[in-house]
Amino acid sequence: KQEVTQIPAALSVPEGENLVLNCSFTDSAIYNLQWFRQDPGKGLTSLLLIQSSQREQTSGRLNASLDKSSGRSTLYIAASQPGDSATYLCAGRGSGNTGKLIFGQGTTLQVKP
Amino acid sequence: DTGVSQNPRHKITKRGQNVTFRCDPISEHNRLYWYRQTLGQGPEFLTYFQNEAQLEKSRLLSDRFSAERPKGSFSTLEIQRTEQGDSAMYLCASSFSGGLSYEQYFGPGTRLTVT
Repeated sequence: KQEVTQIPAALSVPEGENLVLNCSFTDSAIYNLQWFRQDPGKGLTSLLLIQSSQREQTSGRLNASLDKSSGRSTLYIAASQPGDSATYLCAGRGSGNTGKLIFGQGTTLQVKP
Repeated sequence: DTGVSQNPRHKITKRGQNVTFRCDPISEHNRLYWYRQTLGQGPEFLTYFQNEAQLEKSRLLSDRFSAERPKGSFSTLEIQRTEQGDSAMYLCASSFSGGLSYEQYFGPGTRLTVT
């Protein structure tokens, strides 16, 4: 059974700092892994998706990596800004004929001006 | 707006009442998913459709919950005899199964409060 864990639950950093959010999963037979952003009371915005055959994906100041052998993914945010303040969720889709995503509990990020 | 839409955005109901939510996916997406999210937690999978067919259901989807996607376009999620424990954000997502990624795109959610 796939389980996804995100540590830390909350993170506060000063503006301009580079930071890394961590995501670990128990089943290495993962089809892909998605990182999302969620603002308070809102839906989820997809940030990056990494296929199981890929090691990393980049979009602007965001870089996500995937290491299936260690069951870990990281989301790197460069030069953080107050507008990056949100909850970041990672979710894995299992292999086989399943459509569901298994989510971690999220990391709530606060970037202080 | 060509994203996933959900209605209503907020619903307050009394315990024991029935409620129905609607989700309209991105038009070219053939897969539609329902998730539930409680405060401080990540979303939990409820069920998903490929076209009209409901392919997978979670144990969380008790007998009081039913989802339909009759024409393979929009979907409804009905909760009968609501309980206070049903209070949550109900999220809908859609994806396309023809490519490799199956990337899921989420709607804004429906916030249910059961009093």
